[in-house]
Amino acid sequence: KQEVTQIPAALSVPEGENLVLNCSFTDSAIYNLQWFRQDPGKGLTSLLLIQSSQREQTSGRLNASLDKSSGRSTLYIAASQPGDSATYLCAVNYGGSQGNLIFGKGTKLSVKP
Amino acid sequence: GAGVSQSPSNKVTEKGKDVELRCDPISGHTALYWYRQSLGQGLEFLIYFQGNSAPDKSGLPSDRFSAERTGGSVSTLTIQRTQQEDSAVYLCASSLGQQSTDTQYFGPGTRLTVL
Repeated sequence: KQEVTQIPAALSVPEGENLVLNCSFTDSAIYNLQWFRQDPGKGLTSLLLIQSSQREQTSGRLNASLDKSSGRSTLYIAASQPGDSATYLCAVNYGGSQGNLIFGKGTKLSVKP
Repeated sequence: GAGVSQSPSNKVTEKGKDVELRCDPISGHTALYWYRQSLGQGLEFLIYFQGNSAPDKSGLPSDRFSAERTGGSVSTLTIQRTQQEDSAVYLCASSLGQQSTDTQYFGPGTRLTVL
């Protein structure tokens, strides 16, 4: 069964800290992996998408890495801000006849001013 | 341009009633997905439409759930004889449909509460 796991489930850090969110997946034959942000009561906002052939993607203060062989991805957030507080979701696309994403349960991040 | 829109944003219904949830994807996106997010659970795939192909219904939890996509654009998710366990946020997403390069863009969701 293809499963995606995210740890920790929740994280609280003071403003300004660098932090890492972790995502692991059981089947390494992925098409791509996507990190999302979800604010309370809102939909999902795509942050970064990493193709299976890529090792990392960067956008501003965010950097996502992918290690297919070990079934892991990390989302690095530099110089965290209170506005970064949200739930971060990792999702894996295995392609094929389905294009659906398999999601982890997310990491709830709280950045304290 | 406009993003994915969903309506209604909130729906409260009584057990046993039927409900319809609507999704307007981004114009030009050929792929459309429905997901469900239950309290304490991760997002769960429900159904996938790609162009004019038959939909992939492998994620639908029961035969009370159905979905259609008219004219390759707007989609409706119908839940018949709703049960309390159907209470969740139903999210719709669309993408260009090229799979490997796709980013899925999500709507704000419909929060369904079954009393």
